[in-house]
Amino acid sequence: QQQVKQSPQSLIVQKGGISIINCAYENTAFDYFPWYQQFPGKGPALLIAIRPDVSEKKEGRFTISFNKSAKQFSLHIMDSQPGDSATYFCAASGSNYKLTFGKGTLLTVNP
Amino acid sequence: GAVVSQHPSWVICKSGTSVKIECRSLDFQATTMFWYRQFPKQSLMLMATSNEGSKATYEQGVEKDKFLINHASLTLSTLTVTSAHPEDSSFYICSAAGTSNYGYTFGSGTRLTVV
Repeated sequence: QQQVKQSPQSLIVQKGGISIINCAYENTAFDYFPWYQQFPGKGPALLIAIRPDVSEKKEGRFTISFNKSAKQFSLHIMDSQPGDSATYFCAASGSNYKLTFGKGTLLTVNP
Repeated sequence: GAVVSQHPSWVICKSGTSVKIECRSLDFQATTMFWYRQFPKQSLMLMATSNEGSKATYEQGVEKDKFLINHASLTLSTLTVTSAHPEDSSFYICSAAGTSNYGYTFGSGTRLTVV
């Protein structure tokens, strides 16, 4: 059972455009929702994270939107740059601290 | 910020031998460490969770006798792949959580190739 569903699998955006990646979860016990960026051959790096008590969090060009009733959250990358080209993973965890990852989205930003 | 150092970054070993991967939290005490496995173009799959001083908890389907995890101190966890076979070739990644809520930091990963 996949507890965190992520879409799309791949995304191509022009430089300066907005990249949007969506995730949906099933387990209502999840209370921490991070997004990770991973470059080839490297470990994931935390981009931004949100808890369900807020509906939006912004850090620089990255914004998480969170819809608790719909059990969905999304990552928006504003002014996308070629250096943002990477694989992005959403994840969720609860009180056991275990992260459940989405399947990932390969983002390509064309110059 | 929190830093997790993982070594080696890549290793090639012969089939039947054992390989040890180290994961160290450099500037914080990691009460819990996690080990993941990632195949090419796939997501991270949790293998096991380890708490300092206690036995690791393995996810379903992960052979605990093959993937030995030791978390002897608050800053070091090791994963030993015993009697490695080509199908064990993968990217192994550790992460560490400190005492602050949900503070996960990932290591840079280890590419294991078994020939």
